[in-house]
Amino acid sequence: EAGVTQFPSHSVIEKGQTVTLRCDPISGHDNLYWYRRVMGKEIKFLLHFVKESKQDESGMPNNRFLAERTGGTYSTLKVQPAELEDSGVYFCASSQTGGSGNTIYFGEGSWLTVV
Amino acid sequence: GQSLEQPSEVTAVEGAIVQINCTYQTSGFYGLSWYQQHDGGAPTFLSYNALDGLEETGRFSSFLSRSDSYGYLLLQELQMKDSASYFCAVRGTGFQKLVFGTGTRLLVSP
Repeated sequence: EAGVTQFPSHSVIEKGQTVTLRCDPISGHDNLYWYRRVMGKEIKFLLHFVKESKQDESGMPNNRFLAERTGGTYSTLKVQPAELEDSGVYFCASSQTGGSGNTIYFGEGSWLTVV
Repeated sequence: GQSLEQPSEVTAVEGAIVQINCTYQTSGFYGLSWYQQHDGGAPTFLSYNALDGLEETGRFSSFLSRSDSYGYLLLQELQMKDSASYFCAVRGTGFQKLVFGTGTRLLVSP
């Protein structure tokens, strides 16, 4: 069974440009999460989808960040325009609904560097 | 909301035992989880405690005391490959996001 996959694995963009990160969750997982880790600090929550609906987007830093999950399958996270402080590792994670949803599975992350 | 505290760094030698503590504040509680992250890698699930007591999985054990809002991860027979960051995490209900602690960097030396 394939795990959570993310693309691109690394991206270097200039300030002001746009980047779109993609996440394919584990098949059958209704819950999809985006997290960010900046400069070795905490893993900070951004957003939680249940199927195609945004369950919780309280962690989205500002309106330069837009997440979508059309059809309840893969998700994209767009940063537009990117700022220097957006640099970090963006992790996507997914989990099942119900008791087995105690474990969430992370992707390898998309490393974003804004210069 | 939820907040969690962990020591920032712990050092130990191969073969030793180390305990990483986690204290949390949360409105609602749906279990304490532990994740391991090697540099450049994905956080991976280690353990989950919903009830008080000790859960053992091989060399790793995790403990929870809900009355004290406290838990710890115990790593035994440390190996060099255990050098990584360890995060505790909680969620308020089963439907909410997982909130992570600040992470503890474990350095294992020969």
